[in-house]
This record gives sequence, C-alpha cells and structure tokens, in this order.
Amino acid sequence: DIQMTQSPSTLSASVGDRVTITCRASQSISTWLAWYQQKPGKAPNLLIYKASSLQSGVPSRFSGSGFGTEFALTISSLQPDDFATYYCQQYNSLWTFGQGTKVEMK
Amino acid sequence: VHLVESGGGLVQPGGSLRLSCAASGFTFNTYEMNWVRQAPGKGLEWVSYISGSGETTYYTDSVKGRFTISRDNAKNSLYLQMNSLRVEDAGVYYCARDTGSSGLAFDNWGQGTLVTVSP
Repeated sequence: DIQMTQSPSTLSASVGDRVTITCRASQSISTWLAWYQQKPGKAPNLLIYKASSLQSGVPSRFSGSGFGTEFALTISSLQPDDFATYYCQQYNSLWTFGQGTKVEMK
Repeated sequence: VHLVESGGGLVQPGGSLRLSCAASGFTFNTYEMNWVRQAPGKGLEWVSYISGSGETTYYTDSVKGRFTISRDNAKNSLYLQMNSLRVEDAGVYYCARDTGSSGLAFDNWGQGTLVTVSP
C-alpha cells in the first residue's frame, strides 16, 4: 500500500502570507496526486489534480507541483476563505489520503 | 452534478446499514464511483470503489468481507451495504465521483451521511 505523509499537520498563517504544504508518497506515483480543501461540516472540494492542474473554478492563487514522491500545494496569498484543512490524495494505486494539514489563523 | 447520500444512522456493533447515493446531472453509468469516510475529528479514508459497469470493485483492507459496494445504473444510484459494523466504522460517509483515466481524481462529492456505531 502507498502511504502519504503531509507536513505540517497544522500551519498558522496570516492573510496575505504565502503558504506551502508538502506531501510525500512512500513510493513513486508519477503525477497521480490531487489536493482537496475541506471546511468544517462540509465535503472535500477538489483543488488540484495530476499534481499541478487547477480544477475549474478554483482561484489561481492555488498551485501544485511535484513528481514521483515529493509534492507541494502553494497558496500564493492566503485569503480569509482559505482557512481550512487540506488533504493530498494519491490515485496511482488504489487511493490514499494524507493525514491533513489544518491552516489556521495566526 | 448532484450527489445525495442517505441511509446513515445509529446502529449497534455487529449490526448492518445500507447507504445510498443518488446521482443526477451527469451520465451515471460512464463514471466510476467511490465511498470515502471520515471518523469524527479525523482525516479522510478511502473505503471502496466500483467501476461504471459495476463489474470491478475494490475495498480497503479493514472492510473487506464486511462491506459490499454496488450500483444500479438504471436508477442512477450507488450503494454501500455495511455488515458486522464496528465502533471504528463510525463517521461521515461520502460518495465521490471518480474521473478514472481522465485523471481528475474525485471531482464531485455528496454532502455525506453520518454513521454512528454504539452499544
């Protein structure tokens, strides 16, 4: 089974900050990686697919990068609506989520 | 695209529940589907997958032999039959549309249905 490890688990930031969340796969997954945003009491929302492709309707301040085992989600300028929990997911071999990164207000 | 789960509730350990997911707004039989769950205060966990035809299914190890995923393409519906439920099966269960080989991962999710397993 492929394991996904996100860091950090919690990130404290302010509006306007540049924020980066990393995700490491236990084996190569090429670019079969997605990023989701989840707010309390809501379903996850797809942000990024194939490691770096922006889902339709997602603001351009979100970007993804990486290949193989190392990936990153970057928010270029954090907005009030971005305080949420973010999950990476591999879909190279079955499906596995990272443990999540909560972005909270500093 | 609209996905609506139902069927959650309170059940005792060892009991059974059948979750449903009603799909609309897209050609259901051309999409693979998944169930994903989230224990209270915890992260997301993939549970089960089914192909568009229903011929291929996969399960996470912890539910193999206890859960069965199925679909009725004539009714645009996805199901999860959960037997021998355990306390650790509790949580919100989401159905999610899988874009398969197009690579867009899980692009649409339902609002979730809550499963509580307690004596």
